[in-house]
Amino acid sequence: ILNVEQSPQSLHVQEGDSTNFTCSFPSSNFYALHWYRWETAKSPEALFVMTLNGDEKKKGRISATLNTKEGYSYLYIKGSQPEDSATYLCAKGAAGNKLTFGGGTRVLVKP
Amino acid sequence: KAGVTQTPRYLIKTRGQQVTLSCSPISGHRSVSWYQQTPGQGLQFLFEYFSETQRNKGNFPGRFSGRQFSNSRSEMNVSTLELGDSALYLCASSLGSETGQRLFFGSGTQLSVL
Repeated sequence: ILNVEQSPQSLHVQEGDSTNFTCSFPSSNFYALHWYRWETAKSPEALFVMTLNGDEKKKGRISATLNTKEGYSYLYIKGSQPEDSATYLCAKGAAGNKLTFGGGTRVLVKP
Repeated sequence: KAGVTQTPRYLIKTRGQQVTLSCSPISGHRSVSWYQQTPGQGLQFLFEYFSETQRNKGNFPGRFSGRQFSNSRSEMNVSTLELGDSALYLCASSLGSETGQRLFFGSGTQLSVL
């Protein structure tokens, strides 16, 4: 993998259902993996920053895992709510604060 | 605590002009990064400043430049604007420049080049 890739590009989830999506990145020269949530008309908001292989982070109903050896991270949303509707961005961190972002996964939670 | 403030919010320019965008980081944050968001390319890194020094630079032409002042406020300048420079420009601040810092983003400046 040459770039940071996210799949799927978009998904519709029924309220109350759980969902997950993927961020794939080059496993070489790994420093950190970031997840951001970007709601319409707002600023991107940091969810997690993970640096170690096997890291698992949790914030409320949202959690993330990291596999640096194979170059992927999963983001999970448990019991989706309409307020979870947003674009979720992952980014691979290089030295300093230089981030390479994926294209995002757009999540729409339907009531 | 005030968040990251970007001004102006919207800007319309014509080809060939130049533009300056401003970013005030969260108080105490010393690193400011700039990103360009376009529909086709997503979020792309422009540059990062820390303690008034450019620490990292993305793959953008020399028309894109920036600077940081002693109070950590930052400006970016785009000279000789092209139609393709139309984009949302986001700045982000963090406490330091060490890898793994959480970034705090501003609301962005929407630049339209006509």
